[in-house]
Amino acid sequence: QKEVEQNSGPLSVPEGAIASLNCTYSDRVSQSFFWYRQYSGKSPELIMSIYSNGDKEDGRFTAQLNKASQYVSLLIRDSQPSDSATYLCAVNGGSYIPTFGRGTSLIVHP
Amino acid sequence: GAVVSQHPSWVICKSGTSVKIECRSLDFQATTMFWYRQFPKQSLMLMATSNEGSKATYEQGVEKDKFLINHASLTLSTLTVTSAHPEDSSFYICSARGPPVRVADTQYFGPGTRLTVL
Repeated sequence: QKEVEQNSGPLSVPEGAIASLNCTYSDRVSQSFFWYRQYSGKSPELIMSIYSNGDKEDGRFTAQLNKASQYVSLLIRDSQPSDSATYLCAVNGGSYIPTFGRGTSLIVHP
Repeated sequence: GAVVSQHPSWVICKSGTSVKIECRSLDFQATTMFWYRQFPKQSLMLMATSNEGSKATYEQGVEKDKFLINHASLTLSTLTVTSAHPEDSSFYICSARGPPVRVADTQYFGPGTRLTVL
């Protein structure tokens, strides 16, 4: 059973702080990793994808991948109240069938 | 780029009727489409995976005779909920993905369809 684990939260951070979201996965042959943001009542939207070990930055978002430790994280710098949402980690294994984590709820308070 | 549309965005129907939901990739060819269901405050649940021109692969516990999936073209997949009952009320979301080349294995989600069965 391929598993993707996330802390359900909620993770509460003050506006302007760095939010750190973590995800671990069980399938060692996983090759593609994604972070999606889902607002309440809406469908998920892609934030970032990452394929290689290390960091990948896009604006205020940084994804970090460590395949040896089987974890992927998402950092959100200068958090804004509009970042309050559920963040889903998704992992594609060798079969390219995605496995989603249950999501981490992030609350950014003014 | 990578826009996926879904229609209708919401639907209310009577128990026992069938409802069809369309999912379209607007600017890319979707060799694979996924159908998810999400109940309030719960996580995404993958229902089935469909590849263009092939029968859908259903996840364990999903009734294929109740949730009919057709993926007849590279831009359109449909989900038909047959003989809908109140317990089928949920948020149905499709996603689409291009050919499984690594740089193109991202899936893009449609806006979802909220189904309410009375």
